[in-house]
This record gives sequence, structure tokens and C-alpha cells, in this order.
Amino acid sequence: DTAVSQTPKYLVTQMGNDKSIKCEQNLGHDTMYWYKQDSKKFLKIMFSYNNKELIINETVPNRFSPKSPDKAHLNLHINSLELGDSAVYFCASSHHRVPSYEQYFGPGTRLTVT
Amino acid sequence: QKEVEQNSGPLSVPEGAIASLNCTYSDRGSQSFFWYRQYSGKSPELIMSIYSNGDKEDGRFTAQLNKASQYVSLLIRDSQPSDSATYLCAVNINDMRFGAGTRLTVKP
Repeated sequence: DTAVSQTPKYLVTQMGNDKSIKCEQNLGHDTMYWYKQDSKKFLKIMFSYNNKELIINETVPNRFSPKSPDKAHLNLHINSLELGDSAVYFCASSHHRVPSYEQYFGPGTRLTVT
Repeated sequence: QKEVEQNSGPLSVPEGAIASLNCTYSDRGSQSFFWYRQYSGKSPELIMSIYSNGDKEDGRFTAQLNKASQYVSLLIRDSQPSDSATYLCAVNINDMRFGAGTRLTVKP
């Protein structure tokens, strides 16, 4: 029944490693997002995909690469992890229609880089 | 100027009181406005959306929108300890922009 799911829930890794986070939604939405929530709890959009196409790419280091194999999945791959990448990463999804962009969030992945 | 501004709080109210949360936004072209609730260690949960000027009520929650003043608020009536959380205001401009959140504590 889970609407938006993410794996893993926790990720602890060392600087310089490469890691991936996976996201899946079963809401039938056509748009998916990645957000980063830092230690100050500020939630900031990183990427947005509509029908597998990138529509938003905020100022994010190119070490972060999203991939959407289909409308229901959006993965985030991070290369050469840095200490500053430690945060909670949330996946979200919505229908892409005006005026409603109600977004529904996954449970989050807490990434800790040591 | 930040795109979406909220008073970070903390806001403390006694059980049964009305909690009032406020948010201002900078882009007059914004069309969609949302309130999310986030419990500590959990993900944001959508509790209200509003698109037109005026009030929108859902149970104990009332969202108020004033586009002329670029202001959106959330009222929580009969506040309960379970309402203690961080409330995030979100505004859809070209994409969703979140405020920094207001931490609400409801004391029994």
C-alpha cells in the first residue's frame, strides 16, 4: 500500500564512495522529485522529472545524477561522496497539472558520510 | 528576499487553543499554496492545499490565502499535543519552494 517508497532508509558510507538511492511510487503520478533536507531542516528541491524527462535541475553538483527508467521510478546516484552531502534525501511525486501540484513524499533516506 | 518566509518559532500554545501559523511569499505569479506537517524524523505530510483567495476549512484546520498581500496562513483549532510538529509552508512558483518551517509545540 506504500504510496512513495525509498530504499535504503539509512545509508552510512565513507568519503569518496559512490552510492545510489532508489524511489518508487504507485500513485500513478507522472512527475517525481528529489529533495535534500539539511541539518537545519530546510527542504530544497534538487531535481524534477516529468514522464522520464528532466524538467528541473537546480544548482546541484554534477556528482549527483538522477535517472528515471519509467514514470514510477526515480533513482539518485551520487559519486565521490563528500561530508557536506550528509542530509536526508526525500523523493516525492505528483501529477503535473495546473494549478495543483500536490506532492507526496517518501519516508526519506538519511545519508551519513564519514 | 527569501521566496517563502515563515516565522521559525518555536510557537507554543496550550492544549485546546488556536495555533496560528503564518507565511509570506515573494512571487505574485504563484498559484498553488500548501501546508505540510513534519514530525521529527519523518517525512513531510500534506495537510492542506489552497488555490483561491479566502478560507478553506478541513476539520480543525483552516488555510487562509490573501494573494494581494502575498500571505497564507494556517489555523489549527482545538490544538492537541499530537499537533506538535514542524509546519512547512510551500508555494508552487515554477516548482515547489518551501519555507524553513515553524515548530509548533502544544502543551497539555
